[in-house]
Order: sequence, then structure tokens, then C-alpha cells
Amino acid sequence: GAVVSQHPSWVICKSGTSVKIECRSLDFQATTMFWYRQFPKQSLMLMATSNEGSKATYEQGVEKDKFLINHASLTLSTLTVTSAHPEDSSFYICSARLGGDSYEQYFGPGTRLTVT
Amino acid sequence: GQNIDQPTEMTATEGAIVQINCTYQTSGFNGLFWYQQHAGEAPTFLSYNVLDGLEEKGRFSSFLSRSKGYSYLLLKELQMKDSASYLCAVMDSNYQLIWGAGTKLIIKP
Repeated sequence: GAVVSQHPSWVICKSGTSVKIECRSLDFQATTMFWYRQFPKQSLMLMATSNEGSKATYEQGVEKDKFLINHASLTLSTLTVTSAHPEDSSFYICSARLGGDSYEQYFGPGTRLTVT
Repeated sequence: GQNIDQPTEMTATEGAIVQINCTYQTSGFNGLFWYQQHAGEAPTFLSYNVLDGLEEKGRFSSFLSRSKGYSYLLLKELQMKDSASYLCAVMDSNYQLIWGAGTKLIIKP
């Protein structure tokens, strides 16, 4: 159980375009979802925390107008990278938390974004 | 500030035992996680410790000492597939995960 999917698994886009990444909890309802970014040979960097039905909480230094997060249901959160630039090229990973007494995060397989 | 320290890289031999250490300084403590991450893939959960002591799960064990701000992940009977990065993460008083930079484990035949 506790499977999280992400779509797409990889995407190449041109500079200036927008890209939407979906994160779904397949067999559980996730009260909280997290979006991370990971550059090569570096650890995970938390970008934002989103709770269903409310605005996302962004980490310091993450532009909320550039990285739009929508958590419209208990099983779906989306991250839209707007006006993407080559420096946004990275591995984007979402995770979901069951809530209640469970604090374990279940990770999606990640989305590799390349901006040309 | 909050800080998680773990070695950058370790090398071990197939069939041997390796211990990956993690020390932390965080605002509050609500548990420590170990995750395994293969190159190009997302992390997968290995263990969760919230009380002092050793938790054993097959070939992997995780130890926690809250008074020392210290944990280790012990991998026994190493296999080539264990080559990966191992991430230590601490849940702080706000239930946020604070991540270490990860330890890249290289297994040699």
C-alpha cells in the first residue's frame, strides 16, 4: 500500500513555457503533500508543503508565483513551473503523508525536468 | 540553526558490514528517518526511530540516541544492489523533515 505516482516521469520543454507535474496518492488519502527539488549529487530540498483545500506553504527562497501548487483533492497535488528557464532543470519529487499518527512520507518516482 | 551531518561517501566490500552515522541538531525532535535513494530514483523508506535503541529489520538496523543527537544505519551482508545514497532525516518540532545531504555508499566486489 501507500503508493504515490507522478506524471510525467520526464519532460523536456523550451525556455519560457510552463510545465505541470501531477502527484497522486493511489491507494490512500493524503492530507499533506510535499514538493522537493533535487539537483545532481545534492540532497532533497523542500520547496513547499501543501494541505488539501488550502494554500501551499513555500520554503524561504522559493518563488510562489513561479512554482504554482494546487492541492485540490486528497489524492492529487500539482506543481506548475511557470516560464521555465534552464536553471529550473532538476529532479522534482513529491511525497505524501497519511496524516493522523503517521508521519512517514511516501515518495513518488520523481519527474526529471529539462529546460532547453 | 538546524543541522544534519552524515559522511559524504563510504566504500565497503560485498558481504561485509557498514555503519553510516548521522548526527543532528534540530529545534525539537519527533523522530528520525533513514531513506535509501538509488541514482535517478526517488527515496524509499528504510526505518523510523523515535525512541532510543536499536531497531532491526532484516539486513538493515537503525540505532538512535536522542541525548547524543546521534543515529546510525547498519547494513549487514552487503550486496551490490545496496550501492545507493542513504539519507538521514529528522522530524522537528513542527513535524517538518530536515534532510541530511546523504551518504553515497559504494559497494565493491
